[in-house]
Amino acid sequence: AQSVTQPDIHITVSEGASLELRCNYSYGATPYLFWYVQSPGQGLQLLLKYFSGDTLVQGIKGFEAEFKRSQSSFNLRKPSVHWSDAAEYFCAVGAASGTYKYIFGTGTRLKVLA
Amino acid sequence: GAVVSQHPSWVICKSGTSVKIECRSLDFQATTMFWYRQFPKQSLMLMATSNEGSKATYEQGVEKDKFLINHASLTLSTLTVTSAHPEDSSFYICSASVGTYEQYFGPGTRLTVT
Repeated sequence: AQSVTQPDIHITVSEGASLELRCNYSYGATPYLFWYVQSPGQGLQLLLKYFSGDTLVQGIKGFEAEFKRSQSSFNLRKPSVHWSDAAEYFCAVGAASGTYKYIFGTGTRLKVLA
Repeated sequence: GAVVSQHPSWVICKSGTSVKIECRSLDFQATTMFWYRQFPKQSLMLMATSNEGSKATYEQGVEKDKFLINHASLTLSTLTVTSAHPEDSSFYICSASVGTYEQYFGPGTRLTVT
């Protein structure tokens, strides 16, 4: 069965430090992968997506993610975190069967220390 | 582009009443719309998928008679919570797709049932 795992429920980093949020997926074929950010009480904003091609994907707000098929991972990175990056981050994979549904990970809550 | 709106953004209703939440794709025609429910500090749970002019497909465990979904046009889907109870209080998020794996999310509606 398809699944998405975000091993870290909470992460705390200092402003200016680098960030990596982990995402592992279980999927038979080449997955469609997404990272979304959700600020408190808000909807989801797409940071980046991977459908095919270059495995290093650039997104908005200085984020990037790397698709590693051998590790079934799609980790999100940012070289220098800003206080405004504090939010909830969700990894998602597009489910099979053409339904276009997503399977979401449980999310990682990022706290940024000034 | 690809903007999805929800109305209302916040609603309070009394137990036993019904409440309708609208989801609109403002600048594109959405062949598929999705409704999610999110509990505090948790991930998004897909409730149902709806295609314009068709009956919604509900996820396992979601009560069809309590959560009525209508996808009347390519730009509008509605979720009606019938006979609402306090346990229905939640954050409801819709998203829209143009028939691809990319979903565009609305800002969410916070429902409080007293």
